[in-house]
Amino acid sequence: DTGVSQNPRHKITKRGQNVTFRCDPISEHNRLYWYRQTLGQGPEFLTYFQNEAQLEKSRLLSDRFSAERPKGSFSTLEIQRTEQGDSAMYLCASREGLTDEQFFGPGTRLTVL
Amino acid sequence: AQTVTQSQPEMSVQEAETVTLSCTYDTSESDYYLFWYKQPPSRQMILVIRQEAYKQQNATENRFSVNFQKAAKSFSLKISDSQLGDAAMYFCACGASLSGGGADGLTFGKGTHLIIQP
Repeated sequence: DTGVSQNPRHKITKRGQNVTFRCDPISEHNRLYWYRQTLGQGPEFLTYFQNEAQLEKSRLLSDRFSAERPKGSFSTLEIQRTEQGDSAMYLCASREGLTDEQFFGPGTRLTVL
Repeated sequence: AQTVTQSQPEMSVQEAETVTLSCTYDTSESDYYLFWYKQPPSRQMILVIRQEAYKQQNATENRFSVNFQKAAKSFSLKISDSQLGDAAMYFCACGASLSGGGADGLTFGKGTHLIIQP
């Protein structure tokens, strides 16, 4: 399968812990996006990368959220000092620069106890 | 910045019938893109159809077509000959390029849950 993959698929953590999620985009896609989807809502855009450059991060929900894409391939999203309100599905998407279709991964479901 | 409104939380249609899902949007961009994505239960989002705002002709993909009314900022999805596999959440989305073409950070509506009655 050469689609977007995300790991882990599920994460349960205690409030105050740090968590990190990984996204592997489709290999030839240079743009990578992170979204958050809470129950009953559509995805909410957080940040994106073109290759290794993070071009938009003002939408990150707080300074507890950070993302990296060090070699322009996979990306990680880290949430520090998790809060119960961080419980959500975190989606990753990628696209090739000349097209406008974003391909989504299956998401990582985060539960903060 | 964009806003997207889907006013129908849930729609139900008989198998083989036609259903239309509504979407309105607002954007300050002159060049933008509109999308309908499908999210089946516990499965990932899949693009159904897309429309570049500068194109007047409505997009079609097999049984799926859109009615794009730019002045009214309306972008509805019509599904013809509904099939059981069409049952899913449908999200309307709007996006503009943040850097060099295509649509970057998409703004999604809250979704419409489509039920197909056999």
